[in-house]
Amino acid sequence: DTEVTQTPKHLVMGMTNKKSLKCEQHMGHRAMYWYKQKAKKPPELMFVYSYEKLSINESVPSRFSPECPNSSLLNLHLHALQPEDSALYLCASSQVQGWTEAFFGQGTRLTVV
Amino acid sequence: QQQVKQSPQSLIVQKGGISIINCAYENTAFDYFPWYQQFPGKGPALLIAIRPDVSEKKEGRFTISFNKSAKQFSLHIMDSQPGDSATYFCAARDGGATNKLIFGTGTLLAVQP
Repeated sequence: DTEVTQTPKHLVMGMTNKKSLKCEQHMGHRAMYWYKQKAKKPPELMFVYSYEKLSINESVPSRFSPECPNSSLLNLHLHALQPEDSALYLCASSQVQGWTEAFFGQGTRLTVV
Repeated sequence: QQQVKQSPQSLIVQKGGISIINCAYENTAFDYFPWYQQFPGKGPALLIAIRPDVSEKKEGRFTISFNKSAKQFSLHIMDSQPGDSATYFCAARDGGATNKLIFGTGTLLAVQP
């Protein structure tokens, strides 16, 4: 099983809403990542978790709050987002941080209205 | 220093032709160079990768050429097929403490039947 599963696939939320994105992998990977991707742009790294501890925060606004409850799960909690936060949010995992192959999920298409 | 420059931005190739995408970097700490393929509505998927001690790597119709002295690398897709139509991202791993992947800006490839 080389799959990274993200839910939901699509999400529309208002600027006052609180929502969460979920990511799951069962490959035994110990590094998990959140990326943000705008249309026609490359993925931008947001957060890295290594062995369930936050390893990298790329100066992401606090309205994005990551959580890694266990080695298979990664959440991204969203609160008070802005329309410019609308994007494809990608989760990825790798054997360890910086490993040569990262597996990406299909992403959650987020629209903030 | 942390950038990976990618060209062209878009590319149209006839079926059976050769697609060539180029990337360049400055940071000599980069130690691993993957190419990712992304179809619309999907997450990026690792296509092929190379380390800087190798000048060429071939996997099926896909070849990476690597020029360490020029700090350039390129992806060649031989016998391009309509199913290869996708966005291609080169990337480089920063071999320092974080091992972050730095993505190029992407190339939208369209293979015409």
